[in-house]
Amino acid sequence: AQTVTQSQPEMSVQEAETVTLSCTYDTSESDYYLFWYKQPPSRQMILVIRQEAYKQQNATENRFSVNFQKAAKSFSLKISDSQLGDAAMYFCACIQGGSEKLVFGKGTKLTVNP
Amino acid sequence: DTGVSQDPRHKITKRGQNVTFRCDPISEHNRLYWYRQTLGQGPEFLTYFQNEAQLEKSRLLSDRFSAERPKGSFSTLEIQRTEQGDSAMYLCASSSGPFYGYTFGSGTRLTVV
Repeated sequence: AQTVTQSQPEMSVQEAETVTLSCTYDTSESDYYLFWYKQPPSRQMILVIRQEAYKQQNATENRFSVNFQKAAKSFSLKISDSQLGDAAMYFCACIQGGSEKLVFGKGTKLTVNP
Repeated sequence: DTGVSQDPRHKITKRGQNVTFRCDPISEHNRLYWYRQTLGQGPEFLTYFQNEAQLEKSRLLSDRFSAERPKGSFSTLEIQRTEQGDSAMYLCASSSGPFYGYTFGSGTRLTVV
């Protein structure tokens, strides 16, 4: 069974600074996809970024980028130039090839200080 | 397209009562998912539909839970004889394929008193 672990329950960052959220995962499949989701206080989950396991190049979406270390099964999220609107719960998630089940970590609460 | 809609946003019910939640997915998406999220936890998978067929159910989904997606459009999640442990946020999501990621609704927060 696949598992996703987020070891940082809470993180904080100063506005305009950079922060990295950690995630490790475990899956027996070679075909899988990884995601970071953001859940603001309004509670609607929003997809931030996705990474295909077969791609070596790290995904980027504007200020958001990932550091995908396949051998270490690590998938961290870097947020550059942090903004107040980035404050939210961030969830790392994994889906195995052939499955429809997205497995989430417990989340990291990010606080952005002005 | 207005995204994934869930109704109601909040539901307070007495223990033992039945409740039903509705989810309207993005019209182009043939896949629909239900998740449950408790405080301080990530969402947990409950069940999945492709069109009108319910293809997977979690062991979390006890016999008191039932989900339907008639005609492959909206979906309902019913909980019979609610228990306090059912108190949670129930999230619906839809997708055109799992690797594209899901689009989530705002959720229905259930409180069983």
